[in-house]
Amino acid sequence: SQTIHQWPATLVQPVGSPLSLECTVEGTSNPNLYWYRQAAGRGLQLLFYSVGIGQISSEVPQNLSASRPQDRQFILSSKKLLLSDSGFYLCAWSVQGSSGGTKTQYFGPGTRLLVL
Amino acid sequence: AQSVTQLDSQVPVFEEAPVELRCNYSSSVSVYLFWYVQYPNQGLQLLLKYLSGSTLVKGINGFEAEFNKSQTSFHLRKPSVHISDTAEYFCAVIISGGSYIPTFGRGTSLIVHP
Repeated sequence: SQTIHQWPATLVQPVGSPLSLECTVEGTSNPNLYWYRQAAGRGLQLLFYSVGIGQISSEVPQNLSASRPQDRQFILSSKKLLLSDSGFYLCAWSVQGSSGGTKTQYFGPGTRLLVL
Repeated sequence: AQSVTQLDSQVPVFEEAPVELRCNYSSSVSVYLFWYVQYPNQGLQLLLKYLSGSTLVKGINGFEAEFNKSQTSFHLRKPSVHISDTAEYFCAVIISGGSYIPTFGRGTSLIVHP
């Protein structure tokens, strides 16, 4: 079966510091990968998605970036954090393909980021 | 572009009462529909999905949803809720033949009182 991991689970960082959040998927190959942010009391905001190694699409221009150095690894980074970067970051994966069954997204446990 | 509306931001209900969480979408083409549940400080967990076939879909934890094409709705129901159902519920839609990226509703907070 497939599993998705995110770490760290919780992170407290000062404004202006760098960020690196990691997501890995096990039990599947060549997945689509996604980064979402969930601000307090709000819905999901898609930040980045990737259909393959080195292929990153950005949905929201901001001071965050994403990379996919390996097939099942997705990294969210920032050079300098802002207060507004605080939130709950979720990684998700889905199977590549064109049929309806491949559309389902499966989410990781999330990383709570607090920027002070 | 498609949109998803969850009209109720919060739904309070007593334990063992029935509940319905509403979801409407806007699309003139075929869609795939999903409901997710999010417990505090956790990721989203798939409750159920409609891809094709029967319009009544049964999911985990006793939840079910009915796809109504004419009303462009996909309401989530449970005949008797438990305290443990207290969580945030998200509806999502993907356009058939379009992007594989879902559009999520803003979520409905289900609060079950004893």
